Amino acid sequence: DQQVKQNSPSLSVQEGRISILNCDYTNSMFDYFLWYKKYPAEGPTFLISISSIKDKNEDGRFTVFLNKSAKHLSLHIVPSQPGDSAVYFCAASPITGGGNKLTFGTGTQLKVEL
Amino acid sequence: DSGVTQTPKHLITATGQRVTLRCSPRSGDLSVYWYQQSLDQGLQFLIQYYNGEERAKGNILERFSAQQFPDLHSELNLSSLELGDSALYFCASSPAGGTWDSPLHFGNGTRLTVT
Repeated sequence: DQQVKQNSPSLSVQEGRISILNCDYTNSMFDYFLWYKKYPAEGPTFLISISSIKDKNEDGRFTVFLNKSAKHLSLHIVPSQPGDSAVYFCAASPITGGGNKLTFGTGTQLKVEL
Repeated sequence: DSGVTQTPKHLITATGQRVTLRCSPRSGDLSVYWYQQSLDQGLQFLIQYYNGEERAKGNILERFSAQQFPDLHSELNLSSLELGDSALYFCASSPAGGTWDSPLHFGNGTRLTVT
């Protein structure tokens, strides 16, 4: 039972354009959401997070949007750069009692082309 | 560099064997987590230790066990290995015992291949 779903295994975007990565979840107990980025042969690296009391969080070129009623979040990267090419994982956790027991999606491979 | 060190990077072994994966957390971090990533799957939480004590358990098989030592490094023991255990095993660490606002820092993983 996939509680966190990333339905697009891959995404290709031109340099300078917007990249939008999507994530859906089914567990209504999830209150805290994160995006991790992973390069080949490396571990995932924390990118940005959002708690359920917000609907948007920005950090430079990265913005995460949360729609609790739709159980959907998205990561926007603007402008996209070739160095952003990586696998992006969405992860979720309940704030209460869940600690860092994150549930991850299967990832989306982003390719930013010149 | 996340500061989390995992050894070995690669491990090839036969079915039925036992292996030990090792993880050294970032300096100062008290919690260690183990995750498994099988082909085309997301990372699956296995187990968490905090300051030597088991804190949370996920989908960890009975054939698998872990421990955290007084120097805070951790080992994941996998026994009676099956072909399906082939995966990337990641270790992560965090300062505290599991607060939601303390993102995990991951090592580069150990790739286990069972033949």
